[in-house]
Amino acid sequence: AQSVSQHNHHVILSEAASLELGCNYSYGGTVNLFWYVQYPGQHLQLLLKYFSGDPLVKGIKGFEAEFIKSKFSFNLRKPSVQWSDTAEYFCAVNGRGNNRLAFGKGNQVVVIP
Amino acid sequence: EPEVTQTPSHQVTQMGQEVILRCVPISNHLYFYWYRQILGQKVEFLVSFYNNEISEKSEIFDDQFSVERPDGSNFTLKIRSTKLEDSAMYFCARSQDTNTEAFFGQGTRLTVV
Repeated sequence: AQSVSQHNHHVILSEAASLELGCNYSYGGTVNLFWYVQYPGQHLQLLLKYFSGDPLVKGIKGFEAEFIKSKFSFNLRKPSVQWSDTAEYFCAVNGRGNNRLAFGKGNQVVVIP
Repeated sequence: EPEVTQTPSHQVTQMGQEVILRCVPISNHLYFYWYRQILGQKVEFLVSFYNNEISEKSEIFDDQFSVERPDGSNFTLKIRSTKLEDSAMYFCARSQDTNTEAFFGQGTRLTVV
């Protein structure tokens, strides 16, 4: 079964700072990778996804993530955060052809204006 | 706007009571899922549902849980005899197939007292 690790559960930073959230997974086969974001009081929304191709994927709101297969990682980045990026961020993975998502524990990000 | 609507948003129930959580996917996607998140823990997969039957279920999804899509629209999760440890946020999701992203609802917060 697949598993996902996210570290630094609570992240506090100032506006315009850069953000990087780590995500490592374990799975024995080909994977699909996702980052979801949950703004306060809202549903889980897809931020970006990787299925195949260019390992550097760009998502909404200036976020990007890089799939490094050798490191089993899919880290999320944003060069300059805004107060509106305050949210919880979840990394998730499923095996190719398997629709069961495994989630990380999430990163609670607070951006101070 | 979420593409999956869940009702109720919050439900409080007494231990031993039956609860039904409802989900209305706003599309004709074929794959449906239930996930849950116990406070402070990871989002966990419960069950996937395709073509009116369970396609996969986790070890959490024991005999006290059941799912159905009775009218071709609503997708429900029933917990027959709730326990304190069933208190969690329950998320419904849908996807077009197994290699596309899942769209989540806002969740139902279930509190068992």
